[in-house]
Order: sequence, then structure tokens, then C-alpha cells
Amino acid sequence: DAKTTQPNSMESNEEEPVHLPCNHSTISGTDYIHWYRQLPSQGPEYVIHGLTSNVNNRMASLAIAEDRKSSTLILHRATLRDAAVYYCILRDVADSSYKLIFGSGTRLLVRP
Amino acid sequence: KAGVTQTPRYLIKTRGQQVTLSCSPISGHRSVSWYQQTPGQGLQFLFEYFSETQRNKGNFPGRFSGRQFSNSRSEMNVSTLELGDSALYLCASSPGQGASYNEQFFGPGTRLTVL
Repeated sequence: DAKTTQPNSMESNEEEPVHLPCNHSTISGTDYIHWYRQLPSQGPEYVIHGLTSNVNNRMASLAIAEDRKSSTLILHRATLRDAAVYYCILRDVADSSYKLIFGSGTRLLVRP
Repeated sequence: KAGVTQTPRYLIKTRGQQVTLSCSPISGHRSVSWYQQTPGQGLQFLFEYFSETQRNKGNFPGRFSGRQFSNSRSEMNVSTLELGDSALYLCASSPGQGASYNEQFFGPGTRLTVL
């Protein structure tokens, strides 16, 4: 399974944008990039995913480098509720199972 | 739609005992996955079931087993409990077919403490 590298922690001020980086230099052509987050005392929740093009949804945006060796999750206006551990995960489209390989993630602290 | 439910939410057992945890997926979802979360190892994949068949298995000893019923509900069992089995056990459900980018929906977890 291809691996991802994320900073251990990041801090942000409330209502400011946050850019969470992820490196995946060994990504294969069939790997999708997924982001999940885990709020305190909850199970992980899906945030966004993409393959090659940048993606937007109501929660966040995903910017994918042209060579796909890195990506950035963008929270446009951080709120206190966004304080969580964010996981960047690669999933092979050829894998018929729904196995997620979690790394250690980035703990995001949001200052009021 | 109701989310993924797990029972019980908290459990205390002693070493050597066995335990069964239950997971009810979102209605219509046919894939159920189990994960173990500990402070030291983080989130680790245990196994995944789809239509009552184990489709994938993580790197855990045979003491960890699971099954899925015809209504997609799933149970996982841990026999001969060890102190290191203390963890948050998370269940996730997905529709189970189609492109593998389908998101997984996680339950709140069962907190197991082994004394």
C-alpha cells in the first residue's frame, strides 16, 4: 500500500483558511486520494476525495499537484468545530474491498 | 437515515475472557469494516465483510474474528482477551459496490477495557 506523510500538528486561527499538506510520492496511477477527519470522541468522517483534478464540496477543497505526489486539503474558514485529526489516505481503485490504511494524521488546533 | 450504530458503547472485561461487539450499518449498506484504534498504533484495519463474506483481512491474530448476517449487521469477536486489546473498536459501513472511492460511514465505536 502506498504511504502518505503528514505533519503531526498544525495550528490555525478561527475564521482563517487552513492548508493541510500531504505527501504521497509513491502514489500509483489508480490511487484515489481520500481525506477523513476524526473529531474528539467520535469515529472518523469522510471529508473529500479526488484522483487528478481539484475538487470542492461543502466541507473543503482538495488541491492535487500536477504530478500527484502531493495534495492539500483546504478549509476555507476554520471554525472551532474543525479541530480534529485529519487523515490523508490513498485507495487503489482496483481494490474491491473498502480497506482504509490510516497514518498518524495531522492534529489541527483552532484558536478562537 | 439512521447512522451506523454500535453496541455496547463501553465494555469492561478481564484477561482471558471473550467479547462480542455488534454493528448495525446504515440501511442499504452491504459492506461493514472493523477497525481498532489505540494510542500507540492508531487506527488499524481488522476486516471487511460484504454480503456475509469476508472480503479483506488485516494483520491481526486469529483471536479476532467476525461475521456478517443476511441483514448486513455484523459482529466481531475477540477471544482470550489480553491487556493490549484495550482499544476503541470502530465499525464503518459502505454501499459495498461500485467505485472504490465510495465513502465509509463510521459509528461512534465501542470502548473496550481489559483489566
